[in-house]
Amino acid sequence: AQSVTQPDIHITVSEGASLELRCNYSYGATPYLFWYVQSPGQGLQLLLKYFSGDTLVQGIKGFEAEFKRSQSSFNLRKPSVHWSDAAEYFCAVGLPNAGNNRKLIWGLGTSLAVNP
Amino acid sequence: DGGITQSPKYLFRKEGQNVTLSCEQNLNHDAMYWYRQDPGQGLRLIYYSQIVNDFQKGDIAEGYSVSREKKESFPLTVTSAQKNPTAFYLCASSEARGRRETQYFGPGTRLLVL
Repeated sequence: AQSVTQPDIHITVSEGASLELRCNYSYGATPYLFWYVQSPGQGLQLLLKYFSGDTLVQGIKGFEAEFKRSQSSFNLRKPSVHWSDAAEYFCAVGLPNAGNNRKLIWGLGTSLAVNP
Repeated sequence: DGGITQSPKYLFRKEGQNVTLSCEQNLNHDAMYWYRQDPGQGLRLIYYSQIVNDFQKGDIAEGYSVSREKKESFPLTVTSAQKNPTAFYLCASSEARGRRETQYFGPGTRLLVL
């Protein structure tokens, strides 16, 4: 069955430090890949997405993600974290060959805390 | 401004009561979705609709109902059959371009049981 794993439930980094949030998926073909961010009590905001082409994707707020087919991964990175980046981050996968099924498969999220 | 609105922001339900959560979008998107979010469980799909007057059950449809009479509106009713309705409910929409579609989310409604 298709699945998305975000191995880190909670991460704490210092402001100004680099960040990498991990996302691994299980799917027989190349999926569509998304990262969303959610501040407390808010909806989800799209950070970036990958459908095809260049495997390094640039997003909003200085985030980027790299699709690695050999590792079935789509890790999110930021070179220097700001206190305002503290939030919940969700990875999601769309299935191109799933017939009429338009569902996204969601990871359980990674909670990011930023120390001043 | 184009976007997705959800109302109310907070909703209180009494035992045995049905309540309806509103979701409206002015993005001219074809597809709309309802998710339930519980702490530590990520997002779970309740219902989705790809076109007006058509909708499909998601993973946890029991105790919920929807309608899609207009393209811009996709209300969710939490019925009395839903025994544990306390959660954060998120509505999303997407432009159905084949399978390369991106979901955009509203601000959410928090449902609490009195």
